[in-house]
This record gives sequence, structure tokens and C-alpha cells, in this order.
Amino acid sequence: DQQVKQNSPSLSVQEGRISILNCDYTNSMFDYFLWYKKYPAEGPTFLISISSIKDKNEDGRFTVFLNKSAKHLSLHIVPSQPGDSAVYFCAAITNTGNQFYFGTGTSLTVIP
Amino acid sequence: SQTIHQWPATLVQPVGSPLSLECTVEGTSNPNLYWYRQAAGRGLQLLFYSVGIGQISSEVPQNLSASRPQDRQFILSSKKLLLSDSGFYLCAWSGTSGRADTQYFGPGTRLTVL
Repeated sequence: DQQVKQNSPSLSVQEGRISILNCDYTNSMFDYFLWYKKYPAEGPTFLISISSIKDKNEDGRFTVFLNKSAKHLSLHIVPSQPGDSAVYFCAAITNTGNQFYFGTGTSLTVIP
Repeated sequence: SQTIHQWPATLVQPVGSPLSLECTVEGTSNPNLYWYRQAAGRGLQLLFYSVGIGQISSEVPQNLSASRPQDRQFILSSKKLLLSDSGFYLCAWSGTSGRADTQYFGPGTRLTVL
């Protein structure tokens, strides 16, 4: 049962434009959400997170938006750079758990 | 600062052979530890997680097992590998002060079963 879903397996964006990666979840008990970036043959690295008490968190070129009513979050990267090309995973965790639930990932390609 | 190590980085094993992958964490105590597998073209599948020495939770029934003999050591094992065990194995840790809010991943092990 996939509780965190990333329905777009891939995305291509021109350099300098905005990249928008989407993530949906089904478990209303999730209260903390994270985005990870993964290069081939490497472990994922933490990128940005957001608590359910917020609807937006910004860190440099990266902004995460949370819409709790729609059970939807998105990661905006602007401006996109070729070095952003990677697989992006969203993840969620409940307020009582230690288990992280990951989406299936979206492969972002930023075209120079 | 905390670091997480995994070895080996790559491994090629024949079907039916045993497996032992090791993960160690430095710079923290009593971490939560996790094993994930990323199969080709797929997301991260949680295999096992541990909240303490000797405490292992299994998420997916399979021919793999995990052990935590020491606080900062997590081992993934198999007695007999299957072709379907091929994949990229990732170890991760998270803190236990309050609720874990971020996981940190190791560099991964690429396992190919022939």
C-alpha cells in the first residue's frame, strides 16, 4: 500500500525555468514531510522539509508547499540548474512513528 | 559530526550464496537504523528498521534478515541469495531525541546477483 505517491516518474525542464515536483499522500496522520535528492549510485541527501503546521517553507532556490486538505505537497526549484538533475523523493512521517514513508521518485532533467 | 558508512560499495554474488552487508554510524548514540532497497527504476522500499540493540522490525517478508549487534552497527544478511535480491541497498539513521525528523543515508551498496 503506497501511502506516498509521486505520479510523475520523470520531468524535463529548461535551465533557468521553474521545476515543480509533486507528491500526494493518503495517510492523514502524516505531519512532517521531507524531500530528498538522489544522484545515481549515491545515497539520498536531505533537501528540505515542512511541518504540517505550515503551508510553505523556503530555502534558497527550493520551496516546498503543503496543501493538507488536498493531501498534496510540491517542491519548486527556481531557477533550475543542470546540477539539479537527479531523482527526487518525497517522504512523510507520522507524529508518533519512526518510520519514513517514501514516494517512488521523480527523475528531474534540467536541460542546459 | 555524524557519519554513516556502508560496505562494500559494490558486490557481485552468485545465486544461492550468502550475503552480509554492514552499516555503521559514528558521532551519535542510540540512533534508529534502517535498511532500504532501491530496485532498478523503483522507489525506496523499507526492509528493516531498528530502534535499539537486538530490536528489529521487518517490513517485507523475504529471504533477508537484519541484526543489530551493537548500538551503531546494522547488518543485512541472507543465507541464500535470489536473482530478485539484486538492487541498490541503502542504510540510514535518524535521531531518537523526540520524534525522528530527518533520515541520513549512507552511500549505498550495489548488489548484483547472477
